[in-house]
Amino acid sequence: GAVVSQHPSWVICKSGTSVKIECRSLDFQATTMFWYRQFPKQSLMLMATSNEGSKATYEQGVEKDKFLINHASLTLSTLTVTSAHPEDSSFYICSFDGWSYNEQFFGPGTRLTVL
Amino acid sequence: GQQLNQSPQSMFIQEGEDVSMNCTSSSIFNTWLWYKQDPGEGPVLLIALYKAGELTSNGRLTAQFGITRKDSFLNISASIPSDVGIYFCAGKTGANNLFFGTGTRLTVIP
Repeated sequence: GAVVSQHPSWVICKSGTSVKIECRSLDFQATTMFWYRQFPKQSLMLMATSNEGSKATYEQGVEKDKFLINHASLTLSTLTVTSAHPEDSSFYICSFDGWSYNEQFFGPGTRLTVL
Repeated sequence: GQQLNQSPQSMFIQEGEDVSMNCTSSSIFNTWLWYKQDPGEGPVLLIALYKAGELTSNGRLTAQFGITRKDSFLNISASIPSDVGIYFCAGKTGANNLFFGTGTRLTVIP
């Protein structure tokens, strides 16, 4: 399968600070990338869909001014959690569509802990 | 969004036993995917199903796309300790979005 990397793999920050998470597709150019959030012992919930060169589409209930997404190239998408609060602590995972049959390949995830 | 319910929620089995889990939805999907997630990792695609009634195998894994397009099952034969993890089904409509199931946590006892 395709290779997706995320950086950092984990981050701890103070409440009120901003955190940027990078998602890179290493062997594929992805027009569309996705950002998910997963709370402990729960399933993945789609936050937003990121299209290269255009604004991201956010799911209902996800604040676009708080979770800034930039998809500046076909291999890089970033998620910035602005003014993070403890309730934003979660596992953030990116993915992109594969080159055939609607598969999605996921990154290894970034665990964010806000103190 | 669409609700996908997986059962069972968790399973404890002996090594060597077969495992069966399923996923049901109130909505129709065009694609069903099964993923495995290890702790602290992203999901890894196991099997993809593209048409109703399709039965697909990947090694010891077998999955089927239900005829009604509202359900799917995953079987694992002769389980081994490394099968431990959380298994998620995911459904896709014509759009890009994936909708994930609630997950089945599998524990394999050596």
